[in-house]
Amino acid sequence: SQQGEEDPQALSIQEGENATMNCSYKTSINNLQWYRQNSGRGLVHLILIRSNEREKHSGRLRVTLDTSKKSSSLLITASRAADTASYFCATDPDTGGFKTIFGAGTRLFVKA
Amino acid sequence: EAQVTQNPRYLITVTGKKLTVTCSQNMNHEYMSWYRQDPGLGLRQIYYSMNVEVTDKGDVPEGYKVSRKEKRNFPLILESPSPNQTSLYFCASSLRVGGGTEAFFGQGTRLTVV
Repeated sequence: SQQGEEDPQALSIQEGENATMNCSYKTSINNLQWYRQNSGRGLVHLILIRSNEREKHSGRLRVTLDTSKKSSSLLITASRAADTASYFCATDPDTGGFKTIFGAGTRLFVKA
Repeated sequence: EAQVTQNPRYLITVTGKKLTVTCSQNMNHEYMSWYRQDPGLGLRQIYYSMNVEVTDKGDVPEGYKVSRKEKRNFPLILESPSPNQTSLYFCASSLRVGGGTEAFFGQGTRLTVV
């Protein structure tokens, strides 16, 4: 079963605008990660936020985590055409096992 | 260069013909994992391994086998492939078991079963 669910499924913006993607999950987690995928290629890690953190920054990326709402958001500021990709959240559920669960992803298209 | 290498990158096969997709990492990672990616479904975990000789099922293990005889290698075996296993497959590794470290992904294997 899929734990992480991103929304929107697809997002189209102009270069320079901010892009916000959301991820919701169902069970308690140890941490949440965001990954980027360019057109059917391997995923690339962007940022990790632990369950006891509320916000984290990395360059133009800002991630928030609200464990009470079981949700996270990824904000990309001042987007560029090169940011066009699919973005996935991944969770490590705090269920005693070692699974990693990915959501279905948000496809971001940044128009130049 | 730190990397996860999958082979082959593309494979077309016929129903029932056993195949193996290899995965190797050069980072001495403990945790390795296989995913399949299908349109609209994101990545679904097939199997994962916490260390040598320790493997466990992910969310969609049916029709697949894995082995972890050496730390660096984690092959995915389809004993009798069927058309519903047509998909894009990714191998990934991360430093530790239990999450909290980033996963490194291979470039993917596009499998078509006819």
